[in-house]
Amino acid sequence: GAGVSQSPSNKVTEKGKDVELRCDPISGHTALYWYRQSLGQGLEFLIYFQGNSAPDKSGLPSDRFSAERTGGSVSTLTIQRTQQEDSAVYLCASSLQGLSIYEQYFGPGTRLTVT
Amino acid sequence: AQSVTQPDIHITVSEGASLELRCNYSYGATPYLFWYVQSPGQGLQLLLKYFSGDTLVQGIKGFEAEFKRSQSSFNLRKPSVHWSDAAEYFCAVGPANAGGTSYGKLTFGQGTILTVHP
Repeated sequence: GAGVSQSPSNKVTEKGKDVELRCDPISGHTALYWYRQSLGQGLEFLIYFQGNSAPDKSGLPSDRFSAERTGGSVSTLTIQRTQQEDSAVYLCASSLQGLSIYEQYFGPGTRLTVT
Repeated sequence: AQSVTQPDIHITVSEGASLELRCNYSYGATPYLFWYVQSPGQGLQLLLKYFSGDTLVQGIKGFEAEFKRSQSSFNLRKPSVHWSDAAEYFCAVGPANAGGTSYGKLTFGQGTILTVHP
């Protein structure tokens, strides 16, 4: 079956522009996560969704970052007024509920470069 | 705050040699423990998990890990490494409290890059 897909795979943008990153989770997975992977920083949790609601937004680095999920499926991560420190690979993952919530299936990521 | 430490940034082993990747965590209570692997050009994949019970857990691709509560460690091992095991390995923890808002949130270590020499 289809895995988690993310688009675009690469995005180059100028400092100050807004960007939208998209995640299509595995069909039937009700939990969805966004992480950021920066060089030398490891994987950093950003936000997670249970259905369409986000019980934990604690990882969003600033108010320039927002995310939404509609229809319990596709999610969009938006970064406004991008800064060079936003350059990273943004990973999306999805999972089922219960203990399976920790068996997260990751997408290939979107590599964001802010120039 | 919870944290995960992988002391080795980069490890090199010869094919056929044994492997141990170290992981230590700092957490308020015993968390759930995981190892993920990220192969070049591929997404992260769950290798193995520990929830409770037997402290030695088996995973995919011949990997195993042992939970040692007294040392707050969850080291990953493999008796004989194959060239295809070259990848980056991440240790992760997650809260065991199903009622908390952070249930499902993984905290990752910095990763250990494994290079395998023929």
